[in-house]
Amino acid sequence: AQSVTQPDIHITVSEGASLELRCNYSYGATPYLFWYVQSPGQGLQLLLKYFSGDTLVQGIKGFEAEFKRSQSSFNLRKPSVHWSDAAEYFCAVGASNFGNEKLTFGTGTRLTIIP
Amino acid sequence: DGGITQSPKYLFRKEGQNVTLSCEQNLNHDAMYWYRQDPGQGLRLIYYSQIVNDFQKGDIAEGYSVSREKKESFPLTVTSAQKNPTAFYLCASSRRQGRTEAFFGQGTRLTVV
Repeated sequence: AQSVTQPDIHITVSEGASLELRCNYSYGATPYLFWYVQSPGQGLQLLLKYFSGDTLVQGIKGFEAEFKRSQSSFNLRKPSVHWSDAAEYFCAVGASNFGNEKLTFGTGTRLTIIP
Repeated sequence: DGGITQSPKYLFRKEGQNVTLSCEQNLNHDAMYWYRQDPGQGLRLIYYSQIVNDFQKGDIAEGYSVSREKKESFPLTVTSAQKNPTAFYLCASSRRQGRTEAFFGQGTRLTVV
């Protein structure tokens, strides 16, 4: 069964600083990987996704993520954060084959931005 | 505009009562999901459905029930058997399970009083 680990529960960064949120996955085949963002009391919005091909993927709001098969990682990065980036971020993994596989989420990383 | 609509946004339930959360999508998606969100636990899958009249239990299905009579609708009933129902519930849909991203509704916060 697939699983996702987000080792950082809470991260605080200064506005304008760079950001990296960690995500490690466990899955036997080629995974489908996602990063979502959630503002308080809201649903989840897709930031970016990796299915295949180029291992560096660009997303919305200036975010990018790099798939590293050797490290089973899919870390999210942003060169310069804005106060509006404060939210909770979720990494998720999906199956690569048809069937009754499900989308599995990590426990999330809450991002706080300080002026 | 296409999207997923969950209603109501806030719901209060007395102990011992069943309550049904609504989820409707107009994205023409085949798959639909229900997740429960609790602080520090991420999203946990309750039920999911790939096609009409078919659904499977997720990781925490006990105390919940669903139906999928129409492609657009996937209501979730929280029964009195659910021991700790207070949570934030999220509905999602996707074109095909596991092969594409899921789109989420705005959620329903259920509180047992």
